[in-house]
Amino acid sequence: AQTVTQSQPEMSVQEAETVTLSCTYDTSESDYYLFWYKQPPSRQMILVIRQEAYKQQNATENRFSVNFQKAAKSFSLKISDSQLGDAAMYFCAYRGPYGNKLVFGAGTILRVKS
Amino acid sequence: NAGVTQTPKFRILKIGQSMTLQCTQDMNHNYMYWYRQDPGMGLKLIYYSVGAGITDKGEVPNGYNVSRSTTEDFPLRLELAAPSQTSVYFCASSWDRTPNQPQHFGDGTRLSIL
Repeated sequence: AQTVTQSQPEMSVQEAETVTLSCTYDTSESDYYLFWYKQPPSRQMILVIRQEAYKQQNATENRFSVNFQKAAKSFSLKISDSQLGDAAMYFCAYRGPYGNKLVFGAGTILRVKS
Repeated sequence: NAGVTQTPKFRILKIGQSMTLQCTQDMNHNYMYWYRQDPGMGLKLIYYSVGAGITDKGEVPNGYNVSRSTTEDFPLRLELAAPSQTSVYFCASSWDRTPNQPQHFGDGTRLSIL
């Protein structure tokens, strides 16, 4: 079974600085999809960024980018120019090539200091 | 654009009571999912459906039932509420089985069993 591990229960970053959230996963598949979701206190689950395993180029979405290391099974999220609105729980999630199910990590709480 | 709508937002149940959590989506998505999120944890899949009339178990199905009589609706039923079912429940939907399509989440239902 696939597993997703987020080893940082909590992270802090100063406003305008950069922070990296870690995620590792375990799978025997060669083709799969990885996601980062943001969950603010409102409890909404908001898609931040996604990466397709067959693409070598790291995904970017404005201030959000990933460092996808397929051989190491690592998928970290970098947030540049952090803003107060970035404060939330961040979840890393895995989805296999044929299944319809997301496997989530335990989450990382990100606190942004002004 | 309503997206995925869950009702109720909060509910307190007594042990042994039953209730149905409602979920409806207006995006004509054929895939729908129910997750539970325990405190400080990631989401775990309870049940999912790939279309009207078709449902399947996820990772933690015990104590729950689902039905999918229409494309729009995917209710989750708790027959005999137990304290272990105290959690936040999320419904989600997605367009098709293409894995890179994100799941769209509702705002969640906070359920307490006392």
